[in-house]
Amino acid sequence: GENVEQHPSTLSVQEGDSAVIKCTYSDSASNYFPWYKQELGKRPQLIIDIRSNVGEKKDQRIAVTLNKTAKHFSLHITETQPEDSAVYFCAALLFGAGSYQLTFGKGTKLSVIP
Amino acid sequence: KAGVTQTPRYLIKTRGQQVTLSCSPISGHRSVSWYQQTPGQGLQFLFEYFSETQRNKGNFPGRFSGRQFSNSRSEMNVSTLELGDSALYLCASSPSTLRRDYGYTFGSGTRLTVV
Repeated sequence: GENVEQHPSTLSVQEGDSAVIKCTYSDSASNYFPWYKQELGKRPQLIIDIRSNVGEKKDQRIAVTLNKTAKHFSLHITETQPEDSAVYFCAALLFGAGSYQLTFGKGTKLSVIP
Repeated sequence: KAGVTQTPRYLIKTRGQQVTLSCSPISGHRSVSWYQQTPGQGLQFLFEYFSETQRNKGNFPGRFSGRQFSNSRSEMNVSTLELGDSALYLCASSPSTLRRDYGYTFGSGTRLTVV
């Protein structure tokens, strides 16, 4: 089945700096890659996603890049703010046997230091 | 429109008991997926239902089961509870068509504690 590796597991940055989280996936059939943000005690919420026919997507301070050849994708947060502190999960949508399964990385705990 | 509703929010059970969790997806969403979230393992896929049929299942023992009703509401059941089943159980709904590449919307989860 699909396997998604996420790095780093923890990340601390100064307010205003950039943060980068990287993920790799194993199954080349995966074609959809969402990112979720989970604040303490809350549900994971979709913040950005990218499809396999696109190399990069940006939404204000957040951007995601995808390299299908290398099977990795990354989340970039610029001008970080304290409210960006949360756990971020990457995921890959695996197609298999007529059904789909969204497989998640183990998460990155981002701390933005004021 | 209403989001994904999970009930109950919290549960405390004793080892050996069984438990049933409920998830009502967003209106119009036909796919419901269940995940187990623990601090060390992240989000682990349990199973996914679409039109009352289980389409996919993760690597969990047979003690974990689920079903989906004609109104797309889903339940999951865990029998013979073990201490290690303590976790946050999340369900996610999706519009789901043949190309299921839509973002999932998660419920707030059910926090299960087994003592």
